[in-house]
Order: sequence, then structure tokens, then C-alpha cells
Amino acid sequence: DGGITQSPKYLFRKEGQNVTLSCEQNLNHDAMYWYRQDPGQGLRLIYYSQIVNDFQKGDIAEGYSVSREKKESFPLTVTSAQKNPTAFYLCASSLAGGIAYNEQFFGPGTRLTVL
Amino acid sequence: SQKIEQNSEALNIQEGKTATLTCNYTNYSPAYLQWYRQDPGRGPVFLLLIRENEKEKRKERLKVTFDTTLKQSLFHITASQPADSATYLCALRADSNYQLIWGAGTKLIIKP
Repeated sequence: DGGITQSPKYLFRKEGQNVTLSCEQNLNHDAMYWYRQDPGQGLRLIYYSQIVNDFQKGDIAEGYSVSREKKESFPLTVTSAQKNPTAFYLCASSLAGGIAYNEQFFGPGTRLTVL
Repeated sequence: SQKIEQNSEALNIQEGKTATLTCNYTNYSPAYLQWYRQDPGRGPVFLLLIRENEKEKRKERLKVTFDTTLKQSLFHITASQPADSATYLCALRADSNYQLIWGAGTKLIIKP
């Protein structure tokens, strides 16, 4: 099955800890994205990558970091500098970034709770 | 700033009727608009895309309209079914950096 996977589904973190959320896709998509979803708000872009070894900050990148060493993988690290990390995190991919009219394919999400 | 608004209150519709959801935007001239469905605890799933030069797009029981003068898109589900109950999100492509800007979504409840 082609698709995009995220792990873990639920994650609990103590204050001051860094955690890494996994995102893997086997759709052969060039572009990958990380969003944060909070109740009553639209998805907010954290980071995106249009190609391997390149990524760009989104609207709310502070306190987060990413890497894109492989086409199929785009892990997100939530650092202790992120003041309010409790949220639902969604990873997505699309055929290409940029101006293309591409739909985004989403993973099942990771719900992060800070204790 | 660019802003997208969807009804924050849940929409309750009787099974078999047409459900209509609204997406309004301001300070923006999008090249296209997308609609997604999201079930609780899951990622959104793409439904339809409509371009700025298209007035209407259909897919099975779904219909999307795009009025660039009113700065509004309407999403219709005809012959609605309880299985259509979900949150529906609209998203526009940003002007300068090709990112999608997302509405908060409208929760649709189809009652049997």
C-alpha cells in the first residue's frame, strides 16, 4: 500500500524534553510538510521541504527543527524551546511543491501532550 | 493579513438533504482552492480542487463553486448520508510562497 505514516500516534513529553515525531512516505513525493492543528484553528505550517536536503520555515517554526536526508523521511523534533507544544501534529506530502496544483496526502497524525 | 473563514458552529442536516458549507476569504486572490474531509483523530483527505477560472466542479455527490467576486467557495453534498458526517476544511494557495492557508473547518452532522 502506498501512503504516509506517522509514529507514534500518541506521545507524552515532560517539560524540558526534546521529542522527535516520525513521518515516512512511499508515494515518491518530492514535497513534504509538517502542520500543527489546534482546536478551533486552521492547520498551521511548521516546516516544509520541496526536495531532499532542503527545507523552509513555515509560519510557526520557532521551537521546532526538521531534517530531510532521504526523500521518504521528514522527521520533526519538538524542542524544549517550544512553549506550548501540546497539539495534534500532521505530516503531509505532495507530488511537488511550488506552483503545482497538487493535493496533499496526510498521515494519521501524532497527538503530543506535555505533562 | 490573509484570512479564511468557515462556520465554526456545527451544521446539522437531515439525511437525504443537501448540505452546504461556506468558505470565505479576505485580502487574497487565490489561484485555486481545495476542500478536504477530516474525521476525528485522523489526517485530512483531499476531496476536490477548483481553479480561479472555474465556476463549478463536481465529483459524484459533491459540488464546489468558486466566486472570486464574492471571495467565497460553497461546498455541497447532495443526498447526504450519516457517513458524510465529518469536519470539512477549505484551503487556499498563498500568493507569495505557494503554501496552503487553511480554514478551521466546519463540522457536519448528518442525522438519520
